[in-house]
Amino acid sequence: KQEVTQIPAALSVPEGENLVLNCSFTDSAIYNLQWFRQDPGKGLTSLLLIQSSQREQTSGRLNASLDKSSGRSTLYIAASQPGDSATYLCAELSGGGSEKLVFGKGTKLTVNP
Amino acid sequence: EAGVTQSPTHLIKTRGQQATLRCSPISGHTSVYWYQQALGLGLQFLLWYDEGEERNRGNFPPRFSGRQFPNYSSELNVNALELEDSALYLCASSFRGGVYNEQFFGPGTRLTVL
Repeated sequence: KQEVTQIPAALSVPEGENLVLNCSFTDSAIYNLQWFRQDPGKGLTSLLLIQSSQREQTSGRLNASLDKSSGRSTLYIAASQPGDSATYLCAELSGGGSEKLVFGKGTKLTVNP
Repeated sequence: EAGVTQSPTHLIKTRGQQATLRCSPISGHTSVYWYQQALGLGLQFLLWYDEGEERNRGNFPPRFSGRQFPNYSSELNVNALELEDSALYLCASSFRGGVYNEQFFGPGTRLTVL
């Protein structure tokens, strides 16, 4: 059974800090992994997608890594800002053709000014 | 380029009624996915439609059904509403001919069952 776990469930940091969000998954046949941002009561904004053949992806202050062998992905946010406050979700897509994303429960990030 | 759109934004129903939610995918996308985000349960996969056919279904009762139209838009129907159906329903679309099969999400429909 595919499972995705995100630790910690909540994180509060002062503005300017670099931080790491963790995601672990059990699927050895992972096809890709996506990181999303969700603001309260809103839909999902895709941040980064890493194919199973890739090790990392970068976009601006965000860097995501993928380690298939250990079943782990991390999202690194540099120089955090209050506007980064949101819930961050990771989701894996299996290579089995089911096309369903399996989500973690998210990390709620608060960046304090 | 317009993103995934969903309507209505909010929907209030009473127990036992039926709800219909609508989704328009990004132009050129042929696959539509439905997810439920209930409080405390996280995002759960509901349904996947591609080229007008239901391709995969999550662990939900038959009360949850839908369809995809020739223009690739989709409808999610929830019959015999129960209180626990209250949730944010998210629709996503993708272009399955692409390399990454990336799913793009809409803003969601908030369903409240009283």
